Amino acid sequence: DTAVSQTPKYLVTQMGNDKSIKCEQNLGHDTMYWYKQDSKKFLKIMFSYNNKELIINETVPNRFSPKSPDKAHLNLHINSLELGDSAVYFCASSLRSSNQPQHFGDGTRLSIL
Amino acid sequence: KQEVTQIPAALSVPEGENLVLNCSFTDSAIYNLQWFRQDPGKGLTSLLLIQSSQREQTSGRLNASLDKSSGRSTLYIAASQPGDSATYLCAVSETSGSRLTFGEGTQLTVNP
Repeated sequence: DTAVSQTPKYLVTQMGNDKSIKCEQNLGHDTMYWYKQDSKKFLKIMFSYNNKELIINETVPNRFSPKSPDKAHLNLHINSLELGDSAVYFCASSLRSSNQPQHFGDGTRLSIL
Repeated sequence: KQEVTQIPAALSVPEGENLVLNCSFTDSAIYNLQWFRQDPGKGLTSLLLIQSSQREQTSGRLNASLDKSSGRSTLYIAASQPGDSATYLCAVSETSGSRLTFGEGTQLTVNP
């Protein structure tokens, strides 16, 4: 079974629309992350939650709003999508108190028309 | 602000060669360093994690070293195979459970 799963895998939508990406982990981790990989394949942190509390909030437009209903889920809602939002969005999770790897999902490929 | 650089950006080798990928980081106050592999259209697979107190980690044909004071890490791949073709990413974490700061990756092609 996939440890970190994201849905949908692909998302194609029009500029100006609102969309959500969901992420779930079954590893018992307490910290979850959203990263963005741009067209040049560079990965950058967007948000991080620990036990449902926001602990990292990078310089991201406030059109992006993460929500963590519980430790196993971290969703990303994006309002008023723009062309520059086209990217691959990766969810990841880890156990904060341990020196163990972060585990990544397969990514959501968002294309704005 | 932590910055991570990977050299080379791309590497093409014949099958069977041993090779070294390089990673450097600007702030030596790291918690750990991870090497990942990314296949086209796929997510990231963690290969090795080196804690800040460690000098190296090994897994099969992979060996990663860490010289924290000089801000460098290398990933050594022995007897490369076509299946090793992928993008290899280096990332550092500055505290437990904190963000990973990534390099731009090395795209490796191993030719049969």
